[in-house]
Amino acid sequence: AQKVTQAQTEISVVEKEDVTLDCVYETRDTTYYLFWYKQPPSGELVFLIRRNSFDEQNEISGRYSWNFQKSTSSFNFTITASQVVDSAVYFCALSEILTGGGNKLTFGTGTQLKVEL
Amino acid sequence: DAGVTQSPTHLIKTRGQQVTLRCSPKSGHDTVSWYQQALGQGPQFIFQYYEEEERQRGNFPDRFSGHQFPNYSSELNVNALLLGDSALYLCASSPSQVRNTGELFFGEGSRLTVL
Repeated sequence: AQKVTQAQTEISVVEKEDVTLDCVYETRDTTYYLFWYKQPPSGELVFLIRRNSFDEQNEISGRYSWNFQKSTSSFNFTITASQVVDSAVYFCALSEILTGGGNKLTFGTGTQLKVEL
Repeated sequence: DAGVTQSPTHLIKTRGQQVTLRCSPKSGHDTVSWYQQALGQGPQFIFQYYEEEERQRGNFPDRFSGHQFPNYSSELNVNALLLGDSALYLCASSPSQVRNTGELFFGEGSRLTVL
């Protein structure tokens, strides 16, 4: 069975600090995708990044970067120079290809990020 | 281009009642999934619809049922409501041709309170 663990329940930082959100996953699939979603108070889950299991190259996109290590089943997410607008709940998710097609996501329990002035 | 839209945004029901939630997928998307998010938890997969049929179901009882219409919109029905059904219900859509990447586009959800 798929499992995603986000051990950090809540993180508080001061604006402009860098912050890293941790994610550890479990899967028996050889092909899978990992995601980070952001959930502001409005409730909508906003897609941030996707990484497939074949590509361990770490990338930077603006203030976002991620560290994918297959050997430790970790997919950590870093926000550089945090801003108050980054305050939200962040979810790590793992995709599973369904029998007959389609996908479902298994989510972690989320990390509440609070960025203060 | 409208994203995923859900209605109603908030509703209150009493135990034993039935509820119907509605979802219109993002333009160009033909696959709709429903997730339940309890307070303080991550979303849990309920089921997915494609070509008007339920393709896969998560660990939810038969009280939870759904439907997809020819225009790809979808409904989630919950019968015999329990207090534990109180949650944010999220609809997500995706285009079938990218189904193997798993990326989903979510609506803002319908927040159900059962008293």
